Amino acid sequence: GAGVSQSPRYKVAKRGQDVALRCDPISGHVSLFWYQQALGQGPEFLTYFQNEAQLDKSGLPSDRFFAERPEGSVSTLKIQRTQQEDSAVYLCASSTVRGEKLFFGSGTQLSVL
Amino acid sequence: KQEVTQIPAALSVPEGENLVLNCSFTDSAIYNLQWFRQDPGKGLTSLLLIQSSQREQTSGRLNASLDKSSGRSTLYIAASQPGDSATYLCALSGSARQLTFGSGTQLTVLP
Repeated sequence: GAGVSQSPRYKVAKRGQDVALRCDPISGHVSLFWYQQALGQGPEFLTYFQNEAQLDKSGLPSDRFFAERPEGSVSTLKIQRTQQEDSAVYLCASSTVRGEKLFFGSGTQLSVL
Repeated sequence: KQEVTQIPAALSVPEGENLVLNCSFTDSAIYNLQWFRQDPGKGLTSLLLIQSSQREQTSGRLNASLDKSSGRSTLYIAASQPGDSATYLCALSGSARQLTFGSGTQLTVLP
């Protein structure tokens, strides 16, 4: 595709609900990142994939957060038993294996009530 | 742990002014530094990337500098325009691939 695509654009969840956020990276980009951005703050790293391998998940805040990229393209970030503090914008970014420049999607704004 | 600070948090200037945004960081062992622009409700757009071995990069009206010894970077915007209004974020990468971001400077350029 022309850019990184994320869906849904907005998600409202009741506390305790499970949610799944999708990221379609730029075709051919092997590196994929997830970031969490709270209101008024810069993004914070969650996890990183190279192809289908999750090389770094040190930023995931708890074991309720799980990410996968089974075929090395589309990625899903799943949050189980959502809590109010999970409310944030979740950003996905991709890059080429050698490239440093990151291309970001528009994000999914998650609101947990 | 790398910490990134951006000052000021918000800035309002009249159109046509030249301006400087500041970014400071605590760990000089960086791989590269990037400046991003974020428009409301949108993702981030990479503006300039400076490798660790470089001191500055230029693109059009934008110039970014890097001084690792002092832990500082600046983004210079010449002849500002209302279309430059956005939040500007500084981010650094170390030995790991992920970026550490500052909280951003919200810029408003008044017509």
